[in-house]
Amino acid sequence: AAGVIQSPRHLIKEKRETATLKCYPIPRHDTVYWYQQGPGQDPQFLISFYEKMQSDKGSIPDRFSAQQFSDYHSELNMSSLELGDSALYFCASSGFGREAFFGQGTRLTVV
Amino acid sequence: AQTVTQSQPEMSVQEAETVTLSCTYDTSESDYYLFWYKQPPSRQMILVIRQEAYKQQNATENRFSVNFQKAAKSFSLKISDSQLGDAAMYFCAYRSMNNNAGNMLTFGGGTRLMVKP
Repeated sequence: AAGVIQSPRHLIKEKRETATLKCYPIPRHDTVYWYQQGPGQDPQFLISFYEKMQSDKGSIPDRFSAQQFSDYHSELNMSSLELGDSALYFCASSGFGREAFFGQGTRLTVV
Repeated sequence: AQTVTQSQPEMSVQEAETVTLSCTYDTSESDYYLFWYKQPPSRQMILVIRQEAYKQQNATENRFSVNFQKAAKSFSLKISDSQLGDAAMYFCAYRSMNNNAGNMLTFGGGTRLMVKP
């Protein structure tokens, strides 16, 4: 069965640079979520989209933005990167059953 | 706002034995979902089991079962016949059924499960 696909799997950026993370949800899932997980922490909700419209916003910094496109894939754009942005970024998608299935994550390292 | 609490930062179990991981939550809603996710060293988040709050019957998935106590707002995970591959971080999570209340998952702080051979 198709799963949530995230790219890239690993990303190294310098401070003040910009990063774009991509997420391809499971086909026919209508909701996409973005989470940030720091070392030793539980996942923190950033933002979600339902049918291509932003539905909820969590602890997402103003330097970050996200959108969902007509083909349902989503991108998380991160600008003016800081060392503290280094984390594992998860995308998840859900459909009618409402359980969220997670991608393998993008490990972002800011140096 | 909903909160999810996992009071056991670490647990250990002997292989083939049974272990129970605790989770409590706080909500004013009556309809919601509860989940347990497993995060092995690969850091992939894997859904283990889910429970709808309106269902009285406890969910079961093979060796994994839950004890859902709605009045007590408790949702524990029981792992029977523990295997070495069960070693992971386990996260309890809550999601409202009310779309107006937001559709994000709220996670507990996690419990690290170690399985001893």
